[in-house]
Amino acid sequence: DAGVTQSPTHLIKTRGQQVTLRCSPKSGHDTVSWYQQALGQGPQFIFQYYEEEERQRGNFPDRFSGHQFPNYSSELNVNALLLGDSALYLCASSLGVQAYEQYFGPGTRLTVT
Amino acid sequence: AQRVTQPEKLLSVFKGAPVELKCNYSYSGSPELFWYVQYSRQRLQLLLRHISRESIKGFTADLNKGETSFHLKKPFAQEEDSAMYYCALKVRGYGQNFVFGPGTRLSVLP
Repeated sequence: DAGVTQSPTHLIKTRGQQVTLRCSPKSGHDTVSWYQQALGQGPQFIFQYYEEEERQRGNFPDRFSGHQFPNYSSELNVNALLLGDSALYLCASSLGVQAYEQYFGPGTRLTVT
Repeated sequence: AQRVTQPEKLLSVFKGAPVELKCNYSYSGSPELFWYVQYSRQRLQLLLRHISRESIKGFTADLNKGETSFHLKKPFAQEEDSAMYYCALKVRGYGQNFVFGPGTRLSVLP
């Protein structure tokens, strides 16, 4: 089991563009959470998906949206990119929406120029 | 509002010395706290949670509700303990999320 996988590893976008990041959860996991980690900061919660529904959302604008597919994989979409969106985006999966143990992916490094 | 603070960005100790990584939180509900660790070139991973009250890799952490703290301790640091440590607070709602602190980098010197 490769654990949580994320793609791409890194990408560079221009201000105003849109980006889609992808996450495949650990085998057997049904819940996916997304975090943004700016340089020198701890991860900041964006949202959590379970049963293809957004179950919880952090303090992020509507430019950040997501989706979960029937196979439990997930996408994070960010529209109208700002320079401040440059960060490492982490995906974490768990078994069940209230599970305490999350397994993190390696992250996608997004640079907005 | 929920918040987790870790006052030290960097903590350096010598091998064999005791270690204490500080964590304070603010939360109106019943807190559930965790320590995550990230070793060099590895993923963020769970180290321990307060409910289990167990010792992992020699580390322990006690929840002090009066002081709203959850400090991580180890009596004798090892070089392999060098890593980034994050304290996290679980917030329940319709789903759940974790509020992370800014992290403390522990460097254990030989």
